[in-house]
Amino acid sequence: ETGVTQTPRHLVMGMTNKKSLKCEQHLGHNAMYWYKQSAKKPLELMFVYNFKEQTENNSVPSRFSPECPNSSHLFLHLHTLQPEDSALYLCASSQGQIGDAEAFFGQGTRLTVV
Amino acid sequence: DAKTTQPPSMDCAEGRAANLPCNHSTISGNEYVYWYRQIHSQGPQYIIHGLKNNETNEMASLIITEDRKSSTLILPHATLRDTAVYYCIVRVAANAGKSTFGDGTTLTVKP
Repeated sequence: ETGVTQTPRHLVMGMTNKKSLKCEQHLGHNAMYWYKQSAKKPLELMFVYNFKEQTENNSVPSRFSPECPNSSHLFLHLHTLQPEDSALYLCASSQGQIGDAEAFFGQGTRLTVV
Repeated sequence: DAKTTQPPSMDCAEGRAANLPCNHSTISGNEYVYWYRQIHSQGPQYIIHGLKNNETNEMASLIITEDRKSSTLILPHATLRDTAVYYCIVRVAANAGKSTFGDGTTLTVKP
């Protein structure tokens, strides 16, 4: 248990569906992140939020829409996905721009697009 | 983030020390060395980090060379549950979650 909780753990969705991934952290952190890990590939940083504001979008397609209503919650809204979007989606949190803090990761959501 | 080089795979006998090397010859003075591991299909887990001095915690030890161009993660008594992909990451301290994960080293602990 890392203090970062992701739901659901597994998700199967069709290409026309709309779904959302949820991430919640109880660590008092002010920075949250979404990563994507495709099969046999390194983790790719998708989005960065600091104090609820998006500070980084690494050229992520618009079919992925993040939302950060407060510092404890992060969502990734999905719509019109493609089969190649199937991957493990990981959420992380950290103290942001303070000292040499480490990041804490959730267990991820395994997404399959059919 | 500075580039890191790790061997793609290593084996270790259960109960023995696992020594995982990492080269980071272009590291800057304000960059830290971080180690994470990822057990199959789970989220990465923080292990340890350091700037210049050797560090030890309940999980591992981190040895950084004097010129800081390389480091070694040591798991003193490897168990089967230590089988994972180990990532060496070099970056500045701010925005701890903005890490560049490479391919890492797949450590297999064998009975």
